[in-house]
Amino acid sequence: GDSVTQMEGPVTLSEEAFLTINCTYTATGYPSLFWYVQYPGEGLQLLLKATKADDKGSNKGFEATYRKETTSFHLEKGSVQVSDSAVYFCALQTGANNLFFGTGTRLTVIP
Amino acid sequence: NAGVTQTPKFQVLKTGQSMTLQCAQDMNHNSMYWYRQDPGMGLRLIYYSASEGTTDKGEVPNGYNVSRLNKREFSLRLESAAPSQTSVYFCASNRGTGPDTQYFGPGTRLTVL
Repeated sequence: GDSVTQMEGPVTLSEEAFLTINCTYTATGYPSLFWYVQYPGEGLQLLLKATKADDKGSNKGFEATYRKETTSFHLEKGSVQVSDSAVYFCALQTGANNLFFGTGTRLTVIP
Repeated sequence: NAGVTQTPKFQVLKTGQSMTLQCAQDMNHNSMYWYRQDPGMGLRLIYYSASEGTTDKGEVPNGYNVSRLNKREFSLRLESAAPSQTSVYFCASNRGTGPDTQYFGPGTRLTVL
């Protein structure tokens, strides 16, 4: 079945460090891929998405490229800030209503 | 700009008690969803409603019932709560057309003793 495997956390970085959170997927069709972010005490909100192979999603300095050949959608940011501390979820969607989430990666950025 | 609202924010139940979690959205979305979030397991879909008047089971529906009261509201009911239902519950909504962003509520933290 469809699934998402996400890098285990937690991840702790110093401010201005480079961030990579790995995400790979298994899907029978041609999924759309998402990164959602959950700030402390809040619900999830969309960070970025890509709907077809080779698309790059970007938002707030974060980027991820839909790689069909490696079935991956790794999240990157060149210089993290303390305000980026949150839990990040990779997700895939194969139909109108089927959204599958990874287990989440907690990021803590220290000044 | 209310978006998706959920009530209550926190709840403590005893085993066997019942309760209903309420969810409402003001974005005129067709589809609504209930998820549970447990440590180390991400979010899992309990039930969803693709459109007003329809509901379908998700990955973990056992022990829950839902009602799509109208286009705005989608409630989740626990008829006889069990400790295994201790979790954080999120409601979400979207237009329901293709790969569409889901918008999440702030969550309900439920503890069953």
